[in-house]
Amino acid sequence: EPEVTQTPSHQVTQMGQEVILRCVPISNHLYFYWYRQILGQKVEFLVSFYNNEISEKSEIFDDQFSVERPDGSNFTLKIRSTKLEDSAMYFCASTESAGDQPQHFGDGTRLSIL
Amino acid sequence: GNSVTQMEGPVTLSEEAFLTINCTYTATGYPSLFWYVQYPGEGLQLLLKATKADDKGSNKGFEATYRKETTSFHLEKGSVQVSDSAVYFCASLTGSYIPTFGRGTSLIVHP
Repeated sequence: EPEVTQTPSHQVTQMGQEVILRCVPISNHLYFYWYRQILGQKVEFLVSFYNNEISEKSEIFDDQFSVERPDGSNFTLKIRSTKLEDSAMYFCASTESAGDQPQHFGDGTRLSIL
Repeated sequence: GNSVTQMEGPVTLSEEAFLTINCTYTATGYPSLFWYVQYPGEGLQLLLKATKADDKGSNKGFEATYRKETTSFHLEKGSVQVSDSAVYFCASLTGSYIPTFGRGTSLIVHP
């Protein structure tokens, strides 16, 4: 079964540095998402992306965050200047279409800010 | 706004015990409801779904019934296994197509 893949599985970064988290969504999917899960807390929506632009974003997704689909397969999340509170699991997800679709998640990237 | 409330964990059971994980939701309109499961070190996987009132979703021995009158979607399994140990997330989805997740409930099953 096709999978959403994320790299790296664990990223350790100094506070203030930029990080890029990478995702390869399922190849025929058109809608892409990033979520965050702080340890022990709920899964929080960050942003959705369709047709090469952001379709929706949450309050968490401020100017420090950006997303990009640099080629036909990758979907990246960039955090420009990391803060301690950015430490979390970041999950990428994709769906084939909009509407009543369950999301297909990657295994996540654990981001640790020191 | 939309919200999903799950019972706090961890839920600790012996193998073959009966499982219930409670989930209630608030939403504008009539959401679709989902249960996702997250095994250690992995992402969330869809376990089951129900799209309208009185629908029952089922998969791998798990069941949940969409109850509009009580705004609930409780997850049940008649006989849990050690391999069911995971974190279970309830989620609702309405017209925005962005799901709202609960906090997750950790299930630990002992042999």
